[in-house]
Amino acid sequence: GAVVSQHPSRVICKSGTSVKIECRSLDFQATTMFWYRQFPKQSLMLMATSNEGSKATYEQGVEKDKFLINHASLTLSTLTVTSAHPEDSSFYICSARPLDTYEQYFGPGTRLTVT
Amino acid sequence: AQKVTQAQTEISVVEKEDVTLDCVYETRDTTYYLFWYKQPPSGELVFLIRRNSFDEQNEISGRYSWNFQKSTSSFNFTITASQVVDSAVYFCALSEAFRATGGFKTIFGAGTRLFVKA
Repeated sequence: GAVVSQHPSRVICKSGTSVKIECRSLDFQATTMFWYRQFPKQSLMLMATSNEGSKATYEQGVEKDKFLINHASLTLSTLTVTSAHPEDSSFYICSARPLDTYEQYFGPGTRLTVT
Repeated sequence: AQKVTQAQTEISVVEKEDVTLDCVYETRDTTYYLFWYKQPPSGELVFLIRRNSFDEQNEISGRYSWNFQKSTSSFNFTITASQVVDSAVYFCALSEAFRATGGFKTIFGAGTRLFVKA
């Protein structure tokens, strides 16, 4: 079956530093990848949609300069949280859509803690 | 604009009881997909079902069943003879056309936290 991995699964960083999270589709190509954020006991909120080779489309209220998304290949998208602050602590989940389908496969998530 | 409402924040049942999780959606599109996901404490989403807007047939998979009613814009999920392992947060989600790119994007309901007691 289609598998999406995320790395790292957990990361703790100090306030002011930047953190990069990778999302990979392991056995399929994905033209579109999505990044979600989930605060404790809340729903998944879509942050941005990234298409391979083009700029990401950010949802309203998401700072594109703070959450840098790069989708350099059909199997890899990265989310960089720049100058992280404690309020950025959250569970970040990516998903990937295979070419020419309406399926969506989710990664296991990355738990970010900013101290 | 698309919207998914899961009015039940938390539900607590005793093992072997049946439980229904409600989901109501809003969309202007005629082509859309509806999903249910389970999120156990580990956090990883588990896909349960996908339904497209043209298929109103109800579905049963083991102890799980889904009732899709376009007339009421609902896509309810029933667990029969619940078990402790069913304890999790369940999300209903809707995908509709993201017109800017021609792709689809998915939004989630607030989720229903299900507690099944032994």
